[in-house]
Amino acid sequence: GAVVSQHPSRVICKSGTSVKIECRSLDFQATTMFWYRQFPKQSLMLMATSNEGSKATYEQGVEKDKFLINHASLTLSTLTVTSAHPEDSSFYICSAERGAGRLRAYEQYFGPGTRLTVT
Amino acid sequence: AQKITQTQPGMFVQEKEAVTLDCTYDTSDPSYGLFWYKQPSSGEMIFLIYQGSYDQQNATEGRYSLNFQKARKSANLVISASQLGDSAMYFCAMREVKTSYDKVIFGPGTSLSVIP
Repeated sequence: GAVVSQHPSRVICKSGTSVKIECRSLDFQATTMFWYRQFPKQSLMLMATSNEGSKATYEQGVEKDKFLINHASLTLSTLTVTSAHPEDSSFYICSAERGAGRLRAYEQYFGPGTRLTVT
Repeated sequence: AQKITQTQPGMFVQEKEAVTLDCTYDTSDPSYGLFWYKQPSSGEMIFLIYQGSYDQQNATEGRYSLNFQKARKSANLVISASQLGDSAMYFCAMREVKTSYDKVIFGPGTSLSVIP
């Protein structure tokens, strides 16, 4: 099946610094990528939908200036947490969609997630 | 308003027994997709099963089946012959096709524990 990678898998940073998380579709071109945030024992919260070559669509309540999303190519999307604070500590998961099957769920593939800890 | 409801925060099932995990959803769009994911303690999201709003038959994938009742807006997951490895969080999700972008939202999840 299709593979989506995320890098890094874990990151610890100091408060005030910025952290970049990469999401790559390794063997297919992803027209759309989604970024989620998950707190312990909670569900995935959609942060933004990212389409290649256009600005990301952010969900209500998600600060676009704090969570910068760039979808520069069909295989790479990045999430940058700017001026991170301890409350930004969370599990960040990306997913990538292949092709034009917009309602075909099995064409959405999840990355393994990135655990961010801000000290 | 919550669009995906999973009323069972935790469930227990005896090994080899069947278990049903509940999911109800809310949408006014005629075209949508429903699916279930499994998330073990390692964190990765594992796709289990998908049901399209126009699909006439209930979806099945091996030991997983989806009991789709469109009028009641429910999409319950049935796991037959439970195995110890089925212990995990299970999330129901819905995909809506908006005019300019697609949106996928997840329910709160159900923690399933399989007892030997």
